[in-house]
Amino acid sequence: AQTVTQSQPEMSVQEAETVTLSCTYDTSESDYYLFWYKQPPSRQMILVIRQEAYKQQNATENRFSVNFQKAAKSFSLKISDSQLGDAAMYFCAYRSVPFQGGSEKLVFGKGTKLTVNP
Amino acid sequence: DAEITQSPRHKITETGRQVTLACHQTWNHNNMFWYRQDLGHGLRLIHYSYGVQDTNKGEVSDGYSVSRSNTEDLPLTLESAASSQTSVYFCASSEGMNTEAFFGQGTRLTVV
Repeated sequence: AQTVTQSQPEMSVQEAETVTLSCTYDTSESDYYLFWYKQPPSRQMILVIRQEAYKQQNATENRFSVNFQKAAKSFSLKISDSQLGDAAMYFCAYRSVPFQGGSEKLVFGKGTKLTVNP
Repeated sequence: DAEITQSPRHKITETGRQVTLACHQTWNHNNMFWYRQDLGHGLRLIHYSYGVQDTNKGEVSDGYSVSRSNTEDLPLTLESAASSQTSVYFCASSEGMNTEAFFGQGTRLTVV
């Protein structure tokens, strides 16, 4: 079974600075998807960024980018020019590829609480 | 716009009572999931369904059941509520490997 580990329960960053959230995972599958979700105090789960394992290029969405190291099974999230609205709980998640016989369910890490200081 | 809605948003119930949490999606997605979120545990999968009449157990399924009689709905039933089931519950749906999962707003359940 796949597992996802977020080793930083809490992180803080100054407004306008850059912060990196860590995520490692364990799997025997060769193809899969990785996600970062943001959960603000409203509780809504918001997809931040997605990475397909077969793509070597790291995904980027505006101020959010990932460092995907497939051999190391590492998937970190970098937030540049942090804003007060970035304060939230961040979850790393793994999903198998269905056509390889995998399940479509998401496996989540325990989350990292990000505080942004003005 | 298509959406996924959960009801109620908040509920307080007594130990031993049967409780049903509703989840309704208008995406016409075949895949639906129920997760519970607890501090220090992230989101853990309770049950999931890949289509009508299909249901599967997740990692924390004890004490919970689901049924899928149509595409739109996957109600989650707590047969006999326990204090350990106090949590925030999320429903999600997805379709195909190239689409994201969409989440409901969550239901905060308190068992007293």
